Amino acid sequence: EAGVAQSPRYKIIEKRQSVAFWCNPISGHATLYWYQQILGQGPKLLIQFQNNGVVDDSQLPKDRFSAERLKGVDSTLKIQPAKLEDSAVYLCASSLGTRIEAFFGQGTRLTVV
Amino acid sequence: SQELEQSPQSLIVQEGKNLTINCTSSKTLYGLYWYKQKYGEGLIFLMMLQKGGEEKSHEKITAKLDEKKQQSSLHITASQPSHAGIYLCGASVSGTYKYIFGTGTRLKVLA
Repeated sequence: EAGVAQSPRYKIIEKRQSVAFWCNPISGHATLYWYQQILGQGPKLLIQFQNNGVVDDSQLPKDRFSAERLKGVDSTLKIQPAKLEDSAVYLCASSLGTRIEAFFGQGTRLTVV
Repeated sequence: SQELEQSPQSLIVQEGKNLTINCTSSKTLYGLYWYKQKYGEGLIFLMMLQKGGEEKSHEKITAKLDEKKQQSSLHITASQPSHAGIYLCGASVSGTYKYIFGTGTRLKVLA
């Protein structure tokens, strides 16, 4: 069974530039999560989708971050404009539903210079 | 404030030694999940606990959830260098659908 796919693996951009990350969840998984993991910390939930609806986005900095899951499958996370403190690994995860184990992609390591 | 607290933050043990990592919540948890992460990689699911008092084992790793479903421990018996990595507890909190994580415990096993 294919796992959660994320791209790109690495991205380096200058501050104030824009960047987008892509995630393809495990087939059939209705719930999709985006997390931000800053070096030395645990993952912080940015947004959680159930199919193409948002379950929680309370920690998403909406002035610069946006995410969508238009057809309830793939998802994109965008940062516009990026700041230095956005440097982190962005993890995508999916699960069959809420309140059960989630499976993670390899993550995208973003460096903002 | 962190909703899930893990301790210790880091741990260095000699190969063959036992160790325990703790995860504590101020709220009742619907489910508690343990993951392992290697540097720069995604999280690997280890096990899930849902019932108060539940205990699960996989190879040399045992996890327990207390009766109140607010604290979990992960115990590694006879640690090996392959156990090294970051251990993260994740949880779905009762009353919400959010899936949150603790701060992580960085484990190093000396050969």
